[in-house]
Amino acid sequence: DTAVSQTPKYLVTQMGNDKSIKCEQNLGHDTMYWYKQDSKKFLKIMFSYNNKELIINETVPNRFSPKSPDKAHLNLHINSLELGDSAVYFCASSPRGGSRTDGYTFGSGTRLTVV
Amino acid sequence: SQQGEEDPQALSIQEGENATMNCSYKTSINNLQWYRQNSGRGLVHLILIRSNEREKHSGRLRVTLDTSKKSSSLLITASRAADTASYFCATDYGGAQKLVFGQGTRLTINP
Repeated sequence: DTAVSQTPKYLVTQMGNDKSIKCEQNLGHDTMYWYKQDSKKFLKIMFSYNNKELIINETVPNRFSPKSPDKAHLNLHINSLELGDSAVYFCASSPRGGSRTDGYTFGSGTRLTVV
Repeated sequence: SQQGEEDPQALSIQEGENATMNCSYKTSINNLQWYRQNSGRGLVHLILIRSNEREKHSGRLRVTLDTSKKSSSLLITASRAADTASYFCATDYGGAQKLVFGQGTRLTINP
């Protein structure tokens, strides 16, 4: 069973469209995250939720909106997609202590290409 | 700005040799973690070392932490082709409740 699963794995879309990426974890973790990895492999945190509550919201355009219907799911909706949004987006989860005590479990990523 | 920076950015060695990667960071940390990313895949957690620890082992991996120099190293002994991947250090610091990643070292093991 996949611990952190993301869908879709690949997403190709035109500028201006709205798209969503879904993430689910079956580990019973309390905290979930979205990271963006650019073409230079640099990973930057975007958001984190703890038991459905937003706890980290980095400097991300408000076109990006996370939604956590329950602690096992964290979805990412992106409005008015731009070329610069092309990247690989990773979902991750961690137990209650978060990064203070444990490593993260990552999904396999969603490669978003905006054309 | 980034918290951690890995060195070297790329490393190519022969199978069976040891590989050493270094990570430097800027502020005091709670812990430092190392991750592996195979091409086209997600990151896999390898090891976590706390700020009060100096060395940690896991199989063929050895991690050291020098908080006075704000640096860590990851040693992979007796490398294998399957170790070919990018390796990232990540730091948990202060009250940030998040991991901050470096840009990674691309390791290639040649058969």
